[in-house]
Amino acid sequence: DTEVTQTPKHLVMGMTNKKSLKCEQHMGHRAMYWYKQKAKKPPELMFVYSYEKLSINESVPSRFSPECPNSSLLNLHLHALQPEDSALYLCASSQDLYREDNGYTFGSGTRLTVV
Amino acid sequence: EDKVVQSPLSLVVHEGDTVTLNCSYEVTNFRSLLWYKQEKKAPTFLFMLTSSGIEKKSGRLSSILDKKELFSILNITATQTGDSAVYLCAVVAKTSGSRLTFGEGTQLTVNP
Repeated sequence: DTEVTQTPKHLVMGMTNKKSLKCEQHMGHRAMYWYKQKAKKPPELMFVYSYEKLSINESVPSRFSPECPNSSLLNLHLHALQPEDSALYLCASSQDLYREDNGYTFGSGTRLTVV
Repeated sequence: EDKVVQSPLSLVVHEGDTVTLNCSYEVTNFRSLLWYKQEKKAPTFLFMLTSSGIEKKSGRLSSILDKKELFSILNITATQTGDSAVYLCAVVAKTSGSRLTFGEGTQLTVNP
């Protein structure tokens, strides 16, 4: 299995809703990432997990809450989002924090719309 | 702050043309440079470059890194309509864990 699977593929949520994005990989990768990508812009790093511990938080607002329940799963919990948070949310994984020999494997993303 | 600049930002060619995409970077403690192709959703890994002057090749695509002049190029020969995509260049610094710093990307359109 050489894939990163993200669910849901599309999500529309109101500003008072609570929702979660899920990411799963079975490649034995020990580093997992959340990136946010706005239209016609490159991905921007949000969080990095290494061996299930939060390693990097790029000063992301607390309405985004990451969670890594085990080495294969990464969640992003969303609460009280704003319309400007609408974007493509990409999950990625790599062998570990200091090895990207075969690049990072990205999931197909969740297209989030906040109304 | 690490910086990646890609050029051109947009390129339109005809099938069969050869294209060269450019990526220049400024990064403290450079570790690697990666190229990705992004169509609708997930960026797809193309190449990782760490050493100067060693060409990486995959089919019609090839890439090379110049660590002295701080740039990389991605060549695509005999372009096809399926090559239409955004091509992203990203760098990783030794001290940044595995943080990818992306350039703005080059939008390549290949017309039949």
